[in-house]
Amino acid sequence: QVQLQESGPGLVKPSGTLSLTCTVSGGAMSLNKWWTWVRQSPDRGLEWIGEILNSGRVNYHPSLRSRVTISVDTSNNQFSLRLTSMTAADTATYFCARGEEGSLDVWGQGTMISVSS
Amino acid sequence: QSVLTQPPSLSGAPGQTVTVTCSGTDSNIGGGYDVHWYHQLPGTAPKLLIYLNVKRPSGVPDRFSGSKSGRTASLAITGLQPEDDGHYYCQSFDSGLSGTIFGGGTRLTV
Repeated sequence: QVQLQESGPGLVKPSGTLSLTCTVSGGAMSLNKWWTWVRQSPDRGLEWIGEILNSGRVNYHPSLRSRVTISVDTSNNQFSLRLTSMTAADTATYFCARGEEGSLDVWGQGTMISVSS
Repeated sequence: QSVLTQPPSLSGAPGQTVTVTCSGTDSNIGGGYDVHWYHQLPGTAPKLLIYLNVKRPSGVPDRFSGSKSGRTASLAITGLQPEDDGHYYCQSFDSGLSGTIFGGGTRLTV
């Protein structure tokens, strides 16, 4: 079965850029799935960041659109998140997930990202 | 503040039935968009419990059932078991946001 695994730095400096990668294992990245990033913090709860199809079509949360880029690399079974101008408000656990018929049916275990100098 | 409103907490004894509600607006649930439900234990990722309002993924017990009417969706859990403890989240699509939205979560204590 498909599994997802996030990888990233853990700590980002204020005004810095977060780069996360989600590796998909156990199967190819299907064409009709939305590869999604979600974050969770005590203050903001679960927050959808954005999603991408294999074709490269993307959707972003309006409040993050100016700072976020999601990309896909199907040859390596990966998709990535880039979030610029990080502040303390971006401290959260970041999850990658697979979108299926609007739901998120497979999730990575999550990676905790702290923004601090 | 979440776009979808859930009760912050609920409790029930083993064997009892509880219902978690998720209230939205005409730009999401009331607009006909599907609702999905997740269960999350501390330190783990959310797990899909109900999708497309009423469907259960393989492996989810039939003690869990979903429904939707108007601007509100509900998750019913019958025959509560200790492992049902945790947080429950609803999720839908919002046409104003043009994206996915989540409820604020309900802490269920068994």
